[in-house]
Parts: sequence; structure tokens; C-alpha cells
Amino acid sequence: ETGVTQSPTHLIKTRGQQVTLRCSSQSGHNTVSWYQQALGQGPQFIFQYYREEENGRGNFPPRFSGLQFPNYSSELNVNALELDDSALYLCASSGPGHKSYEQYFGPGTRLTVT
Amino acid sequence: AQSVTQPDIHITVSEGASLELRCNYSYGATPYLFWYVQSPGQGLQLLLKYFSGDTLVQGIKGFEAEFKRSQSSFNLRKPSVHWSDAAEYFCAVGGAEYGNKLVFGAGTILRVKS
Repeated sequence: ETGVTQSPTHLIKTRGQQVTLRCSSQSGHNTVSWYQQALGQGPQFIFQYYREEENGRGNFPPRFSGLQFPNYSSELNVNALELDDSALYLCASSGPGHKSYEQYFGPGTRLTVT
Repeated sequence: AQSVTQPDIHITVSEGASLELRCNYSYGATPYLFWYVQSPGQGLQLLLKYFSGDTLVQGIKGFEAEFKRSQSSFNLRKPSVHWSDAAEYFCAVGGAEYGNKLVFGAGTILRVKS
């Protein structure tokens, strides 16, 4: 069974640029959630995708957007990067129903904005 | 407000000693409860979960947790800590009142001294 994978591992961008992060879900999982983890904090929910539709969103501005593809993989896009966007971005996959809360995380993408 | 509290930012225990990490949450109904572990620069690994039923749940790596509804707590325990348990531990809560997301505590950093 393949776990959740994310790419790239690390990324350095300049303020104002745009970035795309990618996530492949665990085999058998159809739901993907994205979290932002700033240094020294717990993960904060960005949004969730189910059946290629956004299925819940946290307190993040519209410049954070996402996609889910028919194979359940997902992208997180962030436009007009700000210094505060520097963080570890975590993708988690899960199954349907209440199992959507049983989330399995990938290794994360470390984004640094300079 | 929905919240998860991990009162201890840091805990240091001797190798072989017992461990208890505290977690309290605010939630109207019975939530879904989780503990995750994160090594430096890594993603989160699911240690154990509670959905319903027996309030004492067993997880991986010899960890267990007990759900106490009257105290709104879900404390993590291990009878004998190993040096490899040094990491950061996050309690997380999910359920209908939280929408589709997991809400995480701020984490507890565990140090193990030999």
C-alpha cells in the first residue's frame, strides 16, 4: 500500500510569486485535506477536496486555491506569496464518511518565502 | 469557540519512565479524537484514534489513550518511554461541529533523557 506523497520537498520563492504544491493520496482514499503548519504551531486546516470539489475551507484567503483530479491526487496553489506563507504544507488523505476524519499525512513541503 | 488544549509545551522524561501527555477539547457532542507524532521536519504519523466504544484505545509503538467525557480529555500514555519516542505530539479533534477538518492542539515536545 502506497502512502501519501508530496512534491516538492522544499521550495524557495520570492514574495509576490505563485507556487503549486502536489499531493498523491493513499491507495483507496478519495478525500484530500491540506494544512499549513507554521513553525512551532499545530497544523491549520486550509481546505478539503472530495470528488474533485472543495468540501470545506478554513480561514485562508482566496489566493489559496486547490484542485483534485479524477485519480484523487491534489494540488495546492498559492498566489501573490507573502512572507507569512512560509511554512510546512501538509497534505492528508482519508476515506469516505466518518473515515474522512481519519487522516493520513504526507511528509510535507517546506515553503520558504523571501 | 472550538479548541484543543495541550497544556504542556515541553515535557522531559527519563528513558524507561512512564509518560502522560494531556489533551483537553471543547466540543458539544462526542468528538472523534486522534493523537499524532511528528519528528523534526517530517509529516505527522497517526498513533491512535477514538471514534466510539471502548474509551481506552491502543495505538502503535506501545501508546494508549483514554477518552474521559466528564473531563473533556483524551490523554496519551506510555508505560515505558524509549529514546526514539522523542518527538512532538499533537492531539486532534474532529466531528460534525468542526466541519470537515481536524482541529489540532499546539503540540507537546517530548524530550527523553538517558
